Amino acid sequence: SQTIHQWPATLVQPVGSPLSLECTVEGTSNPNLYWYRQAAGRGLQLLFYSVGIGQISSEVPQNLSASRPQDRQFILSSKKLLLSDSGFYLCARGGRATGRSSYNEQFFGPGTRLTVL
Amino acid sequence: EDQVTQSPEALRLQEGESSSLNCSYTVSGLRGLFWYRQDPGKGPEFLFTLYSAGEEKEKERLKATLTKKESFLHITAPKPEDSATYLCAVQGGRSNYQLIWGAGTKLIIKP
Repeated sequence: SQTIHQWPATLVQPVGSPLSLECTVEGTSNPNLYWYRQAAGRGLQLLFYSVGIGQISSEVPQNLSASRPQDRQFILSSKKLLLSDSGFYLCARGGRATGRSSYNEQFFGPGTRLTVL
Repeated sequence: EDQVTQSPEALRLQEGESSSLNCSYTVSGLRGLFWYRQDPGKGPEFLFTLYSAGEEKEKERLKATLTKKESFLHITAPKPEDSATYLCAVQGGRSNYQLIWGAGTKLIIKP
């Protein structure tokens, strides 16, 4: 199976504190990995994606950053959290993209509920 | 601009009352359309991939169809356990890696 683990499941942090969310993927090598944020009652906002170790693409300028220190590990970080960082954070892995016939079904982890107070 | 719009935002049905959810899209060079189910507090669960107009996929009480402009998720004789938010996403345009997501339809099935 190709399981995606995320931790912690829930987190309550004060404004200005640091953040580290971790995602690990089992059962597949060199996956595309993604971080999304989902606000209450809204769709998914892509934050970062990675096609390999050390390769990070950012979609939204903000105070968050991502790193991929190992093939199956993806980390979302912040040095100082803002109230607006509250939300449901999802890690996903996608299929391999190879040319015009590529497809990108994405599979999600259980998510981390972050509340910034 | 590439865009995905889902309607309605919310749908309340009685158990056994069939209906359809809509996902309309504008994207250059569609490579795939994806349907997901999301339960409260959980990550989205993959349901279907549709690649070309005319294609249909089925799973239990769900059937997804695709045209050149939209996709429908048909729910036949739904049960309360089908209650969830259903998300639609498309892959196309210039990116091989990103999906364009709709905001979802919240489906509530009353017993």
